[in-house]
Amino acid sequence: SQKIEQNSEALNIQEGKTATLTCNYTNYSPAYLQWYRQDPGRGPVFLLLIRENEKEKRKERLKVTFDTTLKQSLFHITASQPADSATYLCALTSGGSYIPTFGRGTSLIVHP
Amino acid sequence: DARVTQTPRHKVTEMGQEVTMRCQPILGHNTVFWYRQTMMQGLELLAYFRNRAPLDDSGMPKDRFSAEMPDATLATLKIQPSEPRDSAVYFCASGLRGQGGNEQFFGPGTRLTVL
Repeated sequence: SQKIEQNSEALNIQEGKTATLTCNYTNYSPAYLQWYRQDPGRGPVFLLLIRENEKEKRKERLKVTFDTTLKQSLFHITASQPADSATYLCALTSGGSYIPTFGRGTSLIVHP
Repeated sequence: DARVTQTPRHKVTEMGQEVTMRCQPILGHNTVFWYRQTMMQGLELLAYFRNRAPLDDSGMPKDRFSAEMPDATLATLKIQPSEPRDSAVYFCASGLRGQGGNEQFFGPGTRLTVL
């Protein structure tokens, strides 16, 4: 069956370090993968999209990689700040579909 | 600043009552999604509309849930009768298919508690 896995344990890091979050999937042929940020009591907010034929995407302090051989996406936040503390969700959309399937998210806590 | 709006933000009701949640998508968006989020299951798709037509509601319990888009500015999700297991946060999201990004814009959610 199709499965998306994100680390359920919170990631604790020190301010200024690079945070790296992982999204693994099985039994998918994703056309693209998205990352969203969710703060408590709010809806998810779109951050980045990467397509199957792209290896890497950047936006300011954010970087996403996509390895369809490993079936994995890595999400990096460089020079992390306490304001980056949130839950980060990955979402996969298969080719021919427009409906993403979301992972359960990983909580990031950046300590000052 | 265009946003998806949802009402009510919070709803507490008793088992067996009807619940109606409303969503106003961003003007010009042609897709609307309804999701349910719980700690146990995460974010689950309930329904998907494109150009107001329901294209996917396979994730929705049909016996008690219904979703409609009476017009382009309003999407509704109804639960009748509600049960305690329906307690969750319900999100509406809209998007613009065909613009390459396929990103979704989420509303603030409706937190539903069924006693």
